[in-house]
Amino acid sequence: DSGVTQTPKHLITATGQRVTLRCSPRSGDLSVYWYQQSLDQGLQFLIQYYNGEERAKGNILERFSAQQFPDLHSELNLSSLELGDSALYFCASSTSVGYGYTFGSGTRLTVV
Amino acid sequence: ILNVEQSPQSLHVQEGDSTNFTCSFPSSNFYALHWYRWETAKSPEALFVMTLNGDEKKKGRISATLNTKEGYSYLYIKGSQPEDSATYLCAFMNRDDKIIFGKGTRLHILP
Repeated sequence: DSGVTQTPKHLITATGQRVTLRCSPRSGDLSVYWYQQSLDQGLQFLIQYYNGEERAKGNILERFSAQQFPDLHSELNLSSLELGDSALYFCASSTSVGYGYTFGSGTRLTVV
Repeated sequence: ILNVEQSPQSLHVQEGDSTNFTCSFPSSNFYALHWYRWETAKSPEALFVMTLNGDEKKKGRISATLNTKEGYSYLYIKGSQPEDSATYLCAFMNRDDKIIFGKGTRLHILP
């Protein structure tokens, strides 16, 4: 157990639907990062939050949004889902920018 | 466009042999370079965080070097063991908080 908790582990949903992925960072970590890993692709950075505020944005689609709550857990919302959104979504946390990340076990999203 | 390249993509090494692979990244606006080990069906696990040009880090049989001026880092594994089979990822971070992962080097240790 890395200390970063992601739920659910698996999610199957239909096109056009909306889902929420949840991440609880390791205790004491203020930064939360979301990554997407599609087939044959590396880890694609989506977005980072630091202590409740958006810190950096990567290749995140407009249909996707995220937030970090006062208790530091984070949620990634994916809406108007398309088949191509099927991927493994990782959350990672770190003490601050520049430190190594601790990854969660990921949420595998399948859009049918 | 920021690009992080890892080579080779895949590598087969005989058990007991030593090996190394490369991560190339932009040489400007450098902040940090991370190495991760990613076993199948698990999540990536941090190996090293490197920030200074000329840095060398070591953890057991695994070590890494960093050259920020020319934009590359090497990961070395000495005396490969079956448990070293994994994908090794590097991630480049610049001073604008941009973080980019390479696609990884997939290492297979042959018994």
